[in-house]
Amino acid sequence: DIQMTQSPSTLSASVGDRVTITCRASQSINSWLAWYQQKPGKAPKLLIYDASSLESGVPSRFSGSGSGTEFTLTISSLQPDDFATYYCQQYNNYWTFGQGTKVEIK
Amino acid sequence: EVQLVESGGGLVQPGGSLRLSCAASGFTFSNYWMSWVRQAPGKGPEWVANINQDESKIYYVDSVKGRFTISRDTAKNSLYLQMNSLRAEDTAVYYCARGGVTGNYYLDYWGQGTVVTVSS
Repeated sequence: DIQMTQSPSTLSASVGDRVTITCRASQSINSWLAWYQQKPGKAPKLLIYDASSLESGVPSRFSGSGSGTEFTLTISSLQPDDFATYYCQQYNNYWTFGQGTKVEIK
Repeated sequence: EVQLVESGGGLVQPGGSLRLSCAASGFTFSNYWMSWVRQAPGKGPEWVANINQDESKIYYVDSVKGRFTISRDTAKNSLYLQMNSLRAEDTAVYYCARGGVTGNYYLDYWGQGTVVTVSS
């Protein structure tokens, strides 16, 4: 089974900050990686797919990079609506989610 | 507009059964893989099961194999999850999600979820 490990688990930041979240796969997943945003009581929302492709309607301040086993999600300038929990998901071999990174207000 | 609406959740005793349904609209249901994903309280999402367009490819996470059955009805644009021999650790919000047209896919639309509680 492919394990996905996110870091950090919690991130404290201020509006306007540049934020980076890392996701590591236990084996190569090529670029078969997605990022989701989830707010309390809501379903996850797709942000990024194929490691770096921005889903339609998602603000351009979100970007993804990486391939193989190491990936990053970057928010270039954190906005009030971005305080949420973020999950990575691999879809190279079945489907596995990371444990999540909570972005909270500093 | 793509919509996925789950139903069928509730409180069930350990060892009991439930059947979840997901009504799909706003897209050509027969063209897409579909998935069930669950999220236990305070935890991250966990993929549960996938089914392809003609039901010839079905996959389950190990923890539900032999207990859960995913199925779909194209005529009714509906996805189902039959859950038997339920355990306390199956307690979660269960989401229906749309996959892609091929086997390597992300989940681009999700329903609002239905809550399953397994407790005596």
